Amino acid sequence: GAVVSQHPSRVICKSGTSVKIECRSLDFQATTMFWYRQFPKKSLMLMATSNEGSKATYEQGVEKDKFLINHASLTLSTLTVTSAHPEDSSFYICSARGPFLAGNEQFFGPGTRLTVL
Amino acid sequence: LAKTTQPISMDSYEGQEVNITCSHNNIATNDYITWYQQFPSQGPRFIIQGYKTKVTNEVASLFIPADRKSSTLSLPRVSLSDTAVYYCLVGERGGGADGLTFGKGTHLIIQP
Repeated sequence: GAVVSQHPSRVICKSGTSVKIECRSLDFQATTMFWYRQFPKKSLMLMATSNEGSKATYEQGVEKDKFLINHASLTLSTLTVTSAHPEDSSFYICSARGPFLAGNEQFFGPGTRLTVL
Repeated sequence: LAKTTQPISMDSYEGQEVNITCSHNNIATNDYITWYQQFPSQGPRFIIQGYKTKVTNEVASLFIPADRKSSTLSLPRVSLSDTAVYYCLVGERGGGADGLTFGKGTHLIIQP
């Protein structure tokens, strides 16, 4: 149980385009989802917290107009990187937490590798 | 959030027991200690969580002394597939209302 999926697993796009990444909780309802970013050989950095039905909360230094987050249902959150540039190339990982999961733990998706040319 | 300190890297050999220690001197009363494993280009995977004394599951053991200022993740009889980055996190169970704060982790390399 507690499986989280992400789609796509990798994406390559041209500079200036927008890219949408989906995060789904497959077998539980996720009241809260989190988005992280990880650069090569670095640790995960929390970008934003997404609660179903409300606006996302962004960490300091993360541009909310550039990284649009929508948590439209209890099983789906989307991250849209708008007008992507090469410096946005990174590994984006989501995690989900449900209200009744044992230990209130976060379960992570497999990640999405974004490469902006 | 309590800051954690763990070795940047460790080496070991197949079949050995590996112990990774994490320091968390400022751990709060309601904080739990959680370890995650991450392989390259994959999301972190929950390994084990504990509050005090010893916790054991099918993949690892977690030893926490009485003062809770440190913890040790023990991996019995490691194999090559245990090569990964291991993160020690301290905070409210599940991260509370906030996301998780990852430190630099320990890069464990298992050799034949």
